[in-house]
Order: sequence, then structure tokens, then C-alpha cells
Amino acid sequence: EPEVTQTPSHQVTQMGQEVILRCVPISNHLYFYWYRQILGQKVEFLVSFYNNEISEKSEIFDDQFSVERPDGSNFTLKIRSTKLEDSAMYFCASTSRGNTGELFFGEGSRLTVL
Amino acid sequence: DAKTTQPPSMDCAEGRAANLPCNHSTISGNEYVYWYRQIHSQGPQYIIHGLKNNETNEMASLIITEDRKSSTLILPHATLRDTAVYYCIVRGTAGGTSYGKLTFGQGTILTVHP
Repeated sequence: EPEVTQTPSHQVTQMGQEVILRCVPISNHLYFYWYRQILGQKVEFLVSFYNNEISEKSEIFDDQFSVERPDGSNFTLKIRSTKLEDSAMYFCASTSRGNTGELFFGEGSRLTVL
Repeated sequence: DAKTTQPPSMDCAEGRAANLPCNHSTISGNEYVYWYRQIHSQGPQYIIHGLKNNETNEMASLIITEDRKSSTLILPHATLRDTAVYYCIVRGTAGGTSYGKLTFGQGTILTVHP
């Protein structure tokens, strides 16, 4: 069964460092998303991406964040200068239909900022 | 997207049906009801969704009231592996600007006991 894969599963970084989280969505999907979940809190929407551009972003997704689909298969989330409060699980998701299609989520990348 | 209300926690005996309620009294005519679950810190997993008719798949059944203001997710024979946080989410359809975004609440923590 096709699945969304994310790497790395866990990354530890120093505050102020740049981090790139990678996702390989399901191959025929066209809509892509990043969510995050701070430990003990709810899953929060960060950004949606369609047709090679951001379609929606939340207030969390400030100038420190960026997304890219560099090669038609990977979908990346970059955090330019990490802060302690960026420590969270980051989930990538994709769907074939942006309106009624179910989102398929990856297993997440745990980011720890020291 | 309409807001949903779920009980914070529920218990169920293994082998019994688990009935998880959700209120979405402000749902509008073109909004679907989605159910996802999250086992421990894994990525959210799609369970089922519906508009106004009852739905059933290999995982669960979804019962939506005639006025669509509430719904119930039914796990017919709960197992220990069904212990998870269950999210009821109302999601808009094409024509809006949400591009399929899911907004997660706190969900219901379902604990299945032996």
C-alpha cells in the first residue's frame, strides 16, 4: 500500500541552526501539507501546497519557514533559524483531491532543538 | 470550517462496540464529517468520512443524524490496538480556500481495556 515517508525520523539540532525535513508524498497526489504537534498538544496546520505554490498557511508559518518541491517527488520543510519552541513532531500529508480526498499522513519527524 | 465538540475521554471493553460521539451543530450543507485517529505519537490515520448518509468501511461505521448536527463513530469490535485519540473534523469542500486543510481539535482519548 502506498504511503507517505518522512526523513529523518528524529533530528536534534542547536538553536539557530537550519533544519530541512523531507517528505515523499504518495506518487499520484497533488496536494501536500505540513502539520506539527508539540508534545502533549493538538496537531496544528502549518501549510498547504498545490501546483508548486503555497495555497494556505497558518500564523505559525512565519518567515522562518519555507516549503519546496524541488524534484517532483520530494516535499521539504525548511526552518531557517530554529528556536527552542520549534521542538515538535512534524507531519507531512498528501491527498489526490484537495476538497474531499482523505489526507494520508507520514509517521512524522521529531525535531528537538537544544 | 465548523467547530466540533467531543468528550475528552472514553473507555471500552475489548470486543465490545466503541461508540464515539461528536457534536457539530454549526455544520453547513457542503461540509463533510471526517474521523481520524492518532495512535501514540504516530501520524494521524484516516478512518472514515461522510456527508449525510451513514457510511461503513472495514474499520468503522459513521452514523450522521438527519439534521447533521451530530455524528457517532462506531468501532464494532474494539481491540487493544484501537486505543488512540479519535478526532472528529468538519471539512469544507471545493470552492472555498481551505484546500483540504484539516483542523484538529483535542479529540477523544479512547482506552480499550482487556
